[in-house]
Amino acid sequence: DGGITQSPKYLFRKEGQNVTLSCEQNLNHDAMYWYRQDPGQGLRLIYYSQIVNDFQKGDIAEGYSVSREKKESFPLTVTSAQKNPTAFYLCASRRQEFGTDTQYFGPGTRLTVL
Amino acid sequence: ILNVEQSPQSLHVQEGDSTNFTCSFPSSNFYALHWYRWETAKSPEALFVMTLNGDEKKKGRISATLNTKEGYSYLYIKGSQPEDSATYLCAFRTGRRALTFGSGTRLQVQP
Repeated sequence: DGGITQSPKYLFRKEGQNVTLSCEQNLNHDAMYWYRQDPGQGLRLIYYSQIVNDFQKGDIAEGYSVSREKKESFPLTVTSAQKNPTAFYLCASRRQEFGTDTQYFGPGTRLTVL
Repeated sequence: ILNVEQSPQSLHVQEGDSTNFTCSFPSSNFYALHWYRWETAKSPEALFVMTLNGDEKKKGRISATLNTKEGYSYLYIKGSQPEDSATYLCAFRTGRRALTFGSGTRLQVQP
């Protein structure tokens, strides 16, 4: 099956620890994205990558880091510098289609800082 | 940061009712407007991508219209069914290849 997988589904972290969220896609999409959702808010863009070995900061990149060493993978590290990391994190990838583009989403990871 | 607003925040309707939601976005630097449906415990699913002023898209009982000059899009659901219960997200795109999302309209359809 083609799709986007995120792991783990639930993640608990102690304050002061870094943690890495996994995102893998087998759709052969070039672009990948990380979003964060907080209650009552829309999805906010953390980082995105349009091609391997390249990525750009989104609107709320502080306290996060990413890498894009392979086309299929775009892991997100939540560092101890992120002041309020408890949230739901969604990964997406994009397909270019007929001059417009659609993003496809993974199932998400819920991170809780204890 | 671009501002995309959706209204209402939530909506409860009875099965068979028709309903509509609004998405407001900046009217400048428009490239595309996306609608997604996000059911509980599932991934957001693309419904429509709209690019031209006056665009109308339809998928079954769901349709959407676009007005880029005044910066709004409407999503309509005709004859709502319980399986339509979900959060409906709109997302706006300028030349930047990432989307700016609204906070969504949460629809609950009572049988």
